[in-house]
Amino acid sequence: NAGVTQTPKFQVLKTGQSMTLQCAQDMNHEYMSWYRQDPGMGLRLIHYSVGAGITDQGEVPNGYNVSRSTTEDFPLRLLSAAPSQTSVYFCASSSMPGQGLETQYFGPGTRLLVL
Amino acid sequence: KNEVEQSPQNLTAQEGEFITINCSYSVGISALHWLQQHPGGGIVSLFMLSSGKKKHGRLIATINIQEKHSSLHITASHPRDSAVYICAVPTDNYGQNFVFGPGTRLSVLP
Repeated sequence: NAGVTQTPKFQVLKTGQSMTLQCAQDMNHEYMSWYRQDPGMGLRLIHYSVGAGITDQGEVPNGYNVSRSTTEDFPLRLLSAAPSQTSVYFCASSSMPGQGLETQYFGPGTRLLVL
Repeated sequence: KNEVEQSPQNLTAQEGEFITINCSYSVGISALHWLQQHPGGGIVSLFMLSSGKKKHGRLIATINIQEKHSSLHITASHPRDSAVYICAVPTDNYGQNFVFGPGTRLSVLP
């Protein structure tokens, strides 16, 4: 099992550019999520999905879109990159049903710099 | 007041010392996770607990749900324990959406 994979590892964008951060998992997990991690702050939830075709917003969704067409993939789209989106992005997955005690599996992260 | 707080923010210890990291929270359902973020950035899950105590090797986690407080203990610390330790509390009915603490950066010196 590869677990949770993310691509790219590192990306530099100019303000206004768009891009997609890829996330895939091979554990057949229903739940997937995207977080951003900024210096001095905890991880913050951007978007999440509880299954294919179902997505919802987290704490900081503005400027990001997601879709979940398959169980395996959960891409995060930056529509028009802004310097405030400079961050490290983590994708995570876990199984349901949701007693709060499921192991969270994290991807290796994508470091994004917006100039 | 932050919803999930950790103390200390930074901790330097000598190899072999007993280490305690604390987490207090004001939100969430009745469970808490401890995560470890390696210096290279990767994040792994250490513990998930809803009551009492759990032990994995030299790591022990305790939780008091009534007081909304958890502690992570490391016995006989080693330089390879150097990492950021993060507590996280699920806040939704799925038990999957988390509020994270800011992390405690631990450095264990040889």
